This record gives sequence, C-alpha cells and structure tokens, in this order.
Amino acid sequence: GENVEQHPSTLSVQEGDSAVIKCTYSDSASNYFPWYKQELGKGPQLIIDIRSNVGEKKDQRIAVTLNKTAKHFSLHITETQPEDSAVYFCAASLGNYQLIWGAGTKLIIKP
Amino acid sequence: GAGVSQTPSNKVTEKGKYVELRCDPISGHTALYWYRQSLGQGPEFLIYFQGTGAADDSGLPNDRFFAVRPEGSVSTLKIQRTERGDSAVYLCASSLGANEKLFFGSGTQLSVL
Repeated sequence: GENVEQHPSTLSVQEGDSAVIKCTYSDSASNYFPWYKQELGKGPQLIIDIRSNVGEKKDQRIAVTLNKTAKHFSLHITETQPEDSAVYFCAASLGNYQLIWGAGTKLIIKP
Repeated sequence: GAGVSQTPSNKVTEKGKYVELRCDPISGHTALYWYRQSLGQGPEFLIYFQGTGAADDSGLPNDRFFAVRPEGSVSTLKIQRTERGDSAVYLCASSLGANEKLFFGSGTQLSVL
C-alpha cells in the first residue's frame, strides 16, 4: 500500500525567512497531494493541494511543488509569520477518499 | 452550522466503559469520515460513509468499534469495552463527495483511565 514519509519532524525558522517541508510517497499511482495545517486543539485545515497533472501551485505565501518522477512533493512558505507556527501534514491519495498521511512537521517561527 | 461540529470536545472514561462520540458534518456534505490521531502522529483512517452507508470500514481496529449515520447527516462513533490504548483524538471530517476536499472538526479527546 501507499506510504508517505515527511521531513523534518521539527523545523525552526526566523520570522521572515522561508520554510520548506518535504514528503515522499511510494505508490506512483497516487494523484492527489494535499497539505494540512493543524493548530493546537484543532482539527487539520487544508491549506493547499496539488494534483498529479500539475508541477507547481502557489497561493500567496504558500506554494507546493510536485516531482512525479522522484515521487516527492514539497511545501514552501515564504516570509514566515508567527501565525504560521503549527504542525503541518502532507498526504497522498489515489484519487479516491482514502488519504495516507505523513507523520507531521512542527514548524516554529522564532521572533 | 458553518463547520464540522464534534461533541464532546473531551471525554474521560474508565477502562471497560462504553462511549459515544458525535459528529455533525457540514450541511449538504454526503461523505463523512472518522479518523483517529495519536500524539505526534498523522490522522489514521477509521471509516468512510457515503450517505447512510459505511462504504469502507476497513480502518476500524476491531469489533469494539462501530459507527452509524442513520439519516445521512449526523454520525456517531461507538466504542465498547474501552481500553487504555483507545486514548486518542477522534477526528471527524466531511466533504461534498468522495474525491472532494475534506473539512475537519476539532476532534474529541478521549482519555481512558
């Protein structure tokens, strides 16, 4: 079955700098890759997603890139702000309802 | 309501007791999902409903776990004879359809003493 690995487990960056979180997946048939942000005491919130027919997608300070050949995808956050501090999860899907999740990255923004 | 609502937000119970966790999805969302999240890990799939029926319950860990959605809206996750290992955050999500974006509730923190 599908397996998703996520790195790093913790990332600390200075406010205003960029943050990059990387994920790899095992099933080449996966075609949907969402990223979720989870704040303490809340459920995951979708922040951006990408499908396998697209290599890159951007939404303001957030971007996701996908390399199908290498089977990895990354989340890029630019000009980080204190409110970006949270746990970020990547996931992969075969295009059905079943999401396979990474273990999460705790992002810490230092003032 | 505007989002997915889960009640209670916290539930403390004793080993061996029965618990029910409720999920009220976004109005109009036909798909509903239950996930379980342990500390420091990503959500783990439990069960998926399309309408009233459980389309996939392959993630339920054993027969102590059961979920219903009798009218295709509110869902209840039921756990019998709770064990300490059941302690986790139970998340509910809904979506417009099977391949649509998931919207999560804030979860129920279950603690089994």
